[in-house]
Amino acid sequence: AQSVTQLGSHVSVSEGALVLLRCNYSSSVPPYLFWYVQYPNQGLQLLLKYTSAATLVKGINGFEAEFKKSETSFHLTKPSAHMSDAAEYFCAVSEGQGAQKLVFGQGTRLTINP
Amino acid sequence: EAQVTQNPRYLITVTGKKLTVTCSQNMNHEYMSWYRQDPGLGLRQIYYSMNVEVTDKGDVPEGYKVSRKEKRNFPLILESPSPNQTSLYFCASSSRMNTEAFFGQGTRLTVV
Repeated sequence: AQSVTQLGSHVSVSEGALVLLRCNYSSSVPPYLFWYVQYPNQGLQLLLKYTSAATLVKGINGFEAEFKKSETSFHLTKPSAHMSDAAEYFCAVSEGQGAQKLVFGQGTRLTINP
Repeated sequence: EAQVTQNPRYLITVTGKKLTVTCSQNMNHEYMSWYRQDPGLGLRQIYYSMNVEVTDKGDVPEGYKVSRKEKRNFPLILESPSPNQTSLYFCASSSRMNTEAFFGQGTRLTVV
């Protein structure tokens, strides 16, 4: 079975600083990888996804992630944090060809300091 | 508007009292799933369905039942809820032609 590990359950950055959220996965085959964001009292919203095309994936709200097969990583970055980025972020891997079975990491809560 | 709708959003119940959480999607998606979210554990899949009358266990199916009699609906049934099923539940749907899953707003269940 596949697994996803997110390093750091809480990350705090200053407004305008770089955001880096780490995600490592275990997979014996090229996976589909996702980052989701969850704002308070809301469902999950897709930020971006990797589906074996370009290794650098751009998503919504200025986020991007780079797939590194040699490191089995899919870290999420944003050059300049905004107060509205405060949320919980989940990395996930698909166990099939579609999104019918997602395996999620533990989540990282991002706090933005003024 | 494309959406996944769960009801109720909040529910407090007592141990052993059967309950059903409904999930409906209006995107004609083949795949539907249920997840539970617990602090420090992320989301874990309970059950999923690849199509009408086709369901399979996820990673944490014990204590839950599902059915898929219509393509748009995928209810989650707790026949005898216990306090360890207190959690935040999400329904999701996706197309077999796409890799994006759409999530409902969540149902916060408390079992006392």
